[in-house]
Amino acid sequence: AQTVTQSQPEMSVQDAETVTLSCTYDTSENNYYLFWYKQPPSRQMILVIRQEAYKQQNATENRFSVNFQKAAKSFSLKISDSQLGDTAMYFCAFMKLGPNNYGQNFVFGPGTRLSVLP
Amino acid sequence: NAGVTQTPKFQVLKTGQSMTLQCAQDMNHEYMSWYRQDPGMGLRLIHYSVGAGITDQGEVPNGYNVSRSTTEDFPLRLLSAAPSQTSVYFCASSTGFGSPLHFGNGTRLTVT
Repeated sequence: AQTVTQSQPEMSVQDAETVTLSCTYDTSENNYYLFWYKQPPSRQMILVIRQEAYKQQNATENRFSVNFQKAAKSFSLKISDSQLGDTAMYFCAFMKLGPNNYGQNFVFGPGTRLSVLP
Repeated sequence: NAGVTQTPKFQVLKTGQSMTLQCAQDMNHEYMSWYRQDPGMGLRLIHYSVGAGITDQGEVPNGYNVSRSTTEDFPLRLLSAAPSQTSVYFCASSTGFGSPLHFGNGTRLTVT
């Protein structure tokens, strides 16, 4: 079974600084995708970034970037120039094909609560 | 384009009562799923569907029932509510493998 570990339950960062959230996963699959989702206090789940496992190039979305190390099964999220609006719970997620090779199977980590301090 | 719509936003049930959480999407997504979110455990998959008429169990299916008669709707039924089902429930949809999940705004359910 796949597992996703986020070893930092809580983190804080000063406004305009950079912070890195860690994520490791365990799988024997070769074809999979990785995601980071953000959940602000509004409870809404918002996609931050997506990474295809077969691509070595790290995904970036504006101030958000990942460090994807496939051999180490590591997928950390870097937030540059942190803003107060980045305060949220961040979930790392792993996706592979579902049973019988159709659909999809998502596994989420337990989350890291990030506070951006003024 | 409303995306994924979940109702209700909040619900309080007594132990033993039944209810249905509604989920509808207007993006013509084949894949739909239900998750529950509990503190320190992330989101766990309850049931999912890869198309109308096809459903399957996820990681924590006990006490829940689903059906998918149309592409748009994927209701989740609690047959006999228990305090252990107190949680936040999310419905999500996507186009399929490799695509991100689009989430509804969640339902906070309390069972007393």
